[in-house]
Amino acid sequence: DQQVKQNSPSLSVQEGRISILNCDYTNSMFDYFLWYKKYPAEGPTFLISISSIKDKNEDGRFTVFLNKSAKHLSLHIVPSQPGDSAVYFCAASATGNQFYFGTGTSLTVIP
Amino acid sequence: NAGVTQTPKFRILKIGQSMTLQCAQDMNHNYMYWYRQDPGMGLKLIYYSVGAGITDKGEVPNGYNVSRSTTEDFPLRLELAAPSQTSVYFCASNAGANVLTFGAGSRLTVL
Repeated sequence: DQQVKQNSPSLSVQEGRISILNCDYTNSMFDYFLWYKKYPAEGPTFLISISSIKDKNEDGRFTVFLNKSAKHLSLHIVPSQPGDSAVYFCAASATGNQFYFGTGTSLTVIP
Repeated sequence: NAGVTQTPKFRILKIGQSMTLQCAQDMNHNYMYWYRQDPGMGLKLIYYSVGAGITDKGEVPNGYNVSRSTTEDFPLRLELAAPSQTSVYFCASNAGANVLTFGAGSRLTVL
């Protein structure tokens, strides 16, 4: 049973435009959410996170928005750059011990 | 600072063989994890450990065993390998600050 879902397997965006990656979750006990970026043949690397007490967290070109009532979060990348092309995973945690991951969205930024 | 180191990077096994995937971290993290990534399926938690001598099952533990005799090492044992265990395996660690640090992955093929 997939507790964290990323319904878009892929996304293509022109360089300079905004990329919006979406994530939905089912477990209302999740209180911490993360985004990871993964290049081929490498492990996932941490990108940005948000606690359930916030609805927005920003770090440079990356912003994560959390809508608890809709059990939805999104990652905005502005402006998108070719180096952002990677697979992005959404993850969630309730206890800090176990992290549940989505299936990933492959982002392609077209120069 | 090496972070999380996984060996081997690649391995081919025959059905019924056994092997151990090694994972070591040099960050003195208490929490360690094993995930597997199958195409289109995201990362699934196999086993995790909250400290030396303590391990617990994740979402997909069947066919695997782990041990945690030291803080640094968290080996994953596959007994009687099956084609369903063909996957990319990622080890990760966490200091308890809600951010996982991943290794580069181990690609296992069972024929």
